[in-house]
Amino acid sequence: NAGVTQTPKFQVLKTGQSMTLQCAQDMNHEYMSWYRQDPGMGLRLIHYSVGAGITDQGEVPNGYNVSRSTTEDFPLRLLSAAPSQTSVYFCASTLGRRLGSPLHFGNGTRLTVT
Amino acid sequence: GENVEQHPSTLSVQEGDSAVIKCTYSDSASNYFPWYKQELGKGPQLIIDIRSNVGEKKDQRIAVTLNKTAKHFSLHITETQPEDSAVYFCAACSSGGSNYKLTFGKGTLLTVNP
Repeated sequence: NAGVTQTPKFQVLKTGQSMTLQCAQDMNHEYMSWYRQDPGMGLRLIHYSVGAGITDQGEVPNGYNVSRSTTEDFPLRLLSAAPSQTSVYFCASTLGRRLGSPLHFGNGTRLTVT
Repeated sequence: GENVEQHPSTLSVQEGDSAVIKCTYSDSASNYFPWYKQELGKGPQLIIDIRSNVGEKKDQRIAVTLNKTAKHFSLHITETQPEDSAVYFCAACSSGGSNYKLTFGKGTLLTVNP
């Protein structure tokens, strides 16, 4: 199993450009989420999904869109990138809502918006 | 919503010493408290967790304690080794309805000096 795979690993965008961060998991996990990690801010939840076709907002959803058309994939879209979106983005998945189900994280995408 | 405070932000110890990281949470309904370790260039990985009906849990050199009355929990690492050097995140889960969300602390950079 590859686990959670994120692409690309690095990306530089100009303000106003759009892009999609890809996330795929091969563990048949029901629950997937996106976090951003900023210095001194820890990990903050952007969006999450409890199953195909179901998404919801987390703590910092503004400027980001998600969709969940399959169990495996959960892409994160930046429609018009802003310097404030410079961050490291982590996708995570877990088997379900049961407490104790560990989050499995990808290795992150480092995004710089100039 | 839930708020998790984590201290210290950086911690430096000598190999073989113990390390303690402390977290407080705000939502008395939170009932699950995991700890994640993030090595350089990687995503966080679950190392230990504790539920609200347990006061202490131990796994080899790491242990977690929970004080529900005071709403704080701590990670204890004994006999530290250089490979324990990483960023550690505490988190709290406010389980409500059908949501499964983790609120993370801001992280502690632990450095173990040989």
